[in-house]
Amino acid sequence: GEDVEQSLFLSVREGDSSVINCTYTDSSSTYLYWYKQEPGAGLQLLTYIFSNMDMKQDQRLTVLLNKKDKHLSLRIADTQTGDSAIYFCAESIDDYKLSFGAGTTVTVRA
Amino acid sequence: DAEITQSPRHKITETGRQVTLACHQTWNHNNMFWYRQDLGHGLRLIHYSYGVQDTNKGEVSDGYSVSRSNTEDLPLTLESAASSQTSVYFCASSDPTSGRRTGELFFGEGSRLTVL
Repeated sequence: GEDVEQSLFLSVREGDSSVINCTYTDSSSTYLYWYKQEPGAGLQLLTYIFSNMDMKQDQRLTVLLNKKDKHLSLRIADTQTGDSAIYFCAESIDDYKLSFGAGTTVTVRA
Repeated sequence: DAEITQSPRHKITETGRQVTLACHQTWNHNNMFWYRQDLGHGLRLIHYSYGVQDTNKGEVSDGYSVSRSNTEDLPLTLESAASSQTSVYFCASSDPTSGRRTGELFFGEGSRLTVL
């Protein structure tokens, strides 16, 4: 997972927006992903973006993709306590394999 | 409901012992993967399989082996456990024929292994 980089921690106040950033290296990645891991659980797909898109919006989630800079971000609007989790950025490295970042631990404070 | 299950969920073993972590999925997915999760490293790929009798090494495969005798199971074996293999292990599967071809992985809940 060393080819995908993201900051390790983010603290945000309840109701504010959270922005998690990620850089990746494989310009041929077809899809880029955000996975969410809640305590004691496995990862679940949160959202994904196809590489020919710049932006994808899904309810409170907005994904921005800058292919030139190989930069991916996830914005969570109106962050809630249930959003406290580890968020992983991942890129597809062939048709089936994914490479993950180290994960960003998001803590939502009241 | 279809699912992916791992066992055991927690295991403590001693250095040098052989350990097998089980992974069973009922989605009939051809693709299965084993990752380990360590603080600061995220998930790193250990081994993967694209079908029965197919196995491949990932980026951190030393000291691990897998076998794929049927579609549902991909057990991970640590031949001689080392303290460096203390970690949380995740099994995942994906369906390459779903039509969406997004490569979404479906994860088990993880197996926490401690090697003393």
